[in-house]
Amino acid sequence: AQKVTQAQTEISVVEKEDVTLDCVYETRDTTYYLFWYKQPPSGELVFLIRRNSFDEQNEISGRYSWNFQKSTSSFNFTITASQVVDSAVYFCALSDSGGGADGLTFGKGTHLIIQP
Amino acid sequence: DGGITQSPKYLFRKEGQNVTLSCEQNLNHDAMYWYRQDPGQGLRLIYYSQIVNDFQKGDIAEGYSVSREKKESFPLTVTSAQKNPTAFYLCASSRGTAPRGENLFFGSGTQLSVL
Repeated sequence: AQKVTQAQTEISVVEKEDVTLDCVYETRDTTYYLFWYKQPPSGELVFLIRRNSFDEQNEISGRYSWNFQKSTSSFNFTITASQVVDSAVYFCALSDSGGGADGLTFGKGTHLIIQP
Repeated sequence: DGGITQSPKYLFRKEGQNVTLSCEQNLNHDAMYWYRQDPGQGLRLIYYSQIVNDFQKGDIAEGYSVSREKKESFPLTVTSAQKNPTAFYLCASSRGTAPRGENLFFGSGTQLSVL
């Protein structure tokens, strides 16, 4: 069975601080996909990134970066120089080898609060 | 602008009552999904449909029903059999019949509460 653990229920930091959101996953598949989504106060989830299990290269997109480590089954998300607009709930998700949306397993989410 | 519209934003249900949540998309997406979100919990899949007139149960389908008579619409009915319906319900859609997690577009959700 697949499982995604986001141990941090809520994180509060002051604007401009760096913050890392942790994600640990469990799967028996050798091929799988990992995702991060952002849920702002408006409610809809917004896709941020997908990572394939066979690609451990870290990725940077502006202030966002992701660290994928198969050895520790982790896919952590770092926001550098955080801004108030980054305040949201962030979900990590795992999909099996098909990569289909019907096979997504979500973590419980981390509520990130950026204080001005 | 293309997108997914969920209505109403807030909905109240009386004991023993069925209620229907609306989800409409004008993205010409083939697949549509309903998720349930409880406070401090991740999203759980209720039902999904990859093509008109066909749908499949997700992980927590008991107490819910759906229909897919039109490509644009995928309403969810919360029946009286659902004993704990209070939750935030999210509708999503994606391209193709073999969608991937990165192709999911979400609506802004409906908060259902029991009176």
